[in-house]
Amino acid sequence: EAGVAQSPRYKIIEKRQSVAFWCNPISGHATLYWYQQILGQGPKLLIQFQNNGVVDDSQLPKDRFSAERLKGVDSTLKIQPAKLEDSAVYLCASSLDRTAGNTIYFGEGSWLTVV
Amino acid sequence: AQKITQTQPGMFVQEKEAVTLDCTYDTSDQSYGLFWYKQPSSGEMIFLIYQGSYDEQNATEGRYSLNFQKARKSANLVISASQLGDSAMYFCAMRPRGGNKLTFGTGTQLKVEL
Repeated sequence: EAGVAQSPRYKIIEKRQSVAFWCNPISGHATLYWYQQILGQGPKLLIQFQNNGVVDDSQLPKDRFSAERLKGVDSTLKIQPAKLEDSAVYLCASSLDRTAGNTIYFGEGSWLTVV
Repeated sequence: AQKITQTQPGMFVQEKEAVTLDCTYDTSDQSYGLFWYKQPSSGEMIFLIYQGSYDEQNATEGRYSLNFQKARKSANLVISASQLGDSAMYFCAMRPRGGNKLTFGTGTQLKVEL
């Protein structure tokens, strides 16, 4: 079974530039998450999708971050304009659904450095 | 709101020894799931083990076991027979019954030594 795919793996941009990350979840997984992990911290949920609808985006900085999952499969996360504090690993994850016991599987992450 | 506390920022263990990584949690939910993930330096979060709040037996997966004490709200991870490849960051996480939001602790960096 293929895992969660993410690209690009690494990205370096200057502040005020824009960047986009792509995620393809495990086939059949209805729930998709984007997490932000700053160095030395645990991951923090940015946004959660159930199929193509947003379930939770309470911690998404909506003035600069946006995400979509138009067809309920793959998803993109965009940052525009980027700030230095956005330097982090952006982890995409998926699960079958929102049941508490369903395992959430993560991709390898997209490492962003803003200079 | 849920909160996960991991009080050990770093741990050392000798190869082939057992090690316990601590995790306590705070929640008002009656039904929830507890997870442990391993994060090597490559960055991927690897699922290790799951414990449901109503599970009567402690979860085990190979060399990993979860010491679940519901009354004390603790869910410690026990790794038996440590291997060099176990060196990584370990995160405890919780997910309420509604399924929204897996909340993570701050992690414990484990180093396995010869």
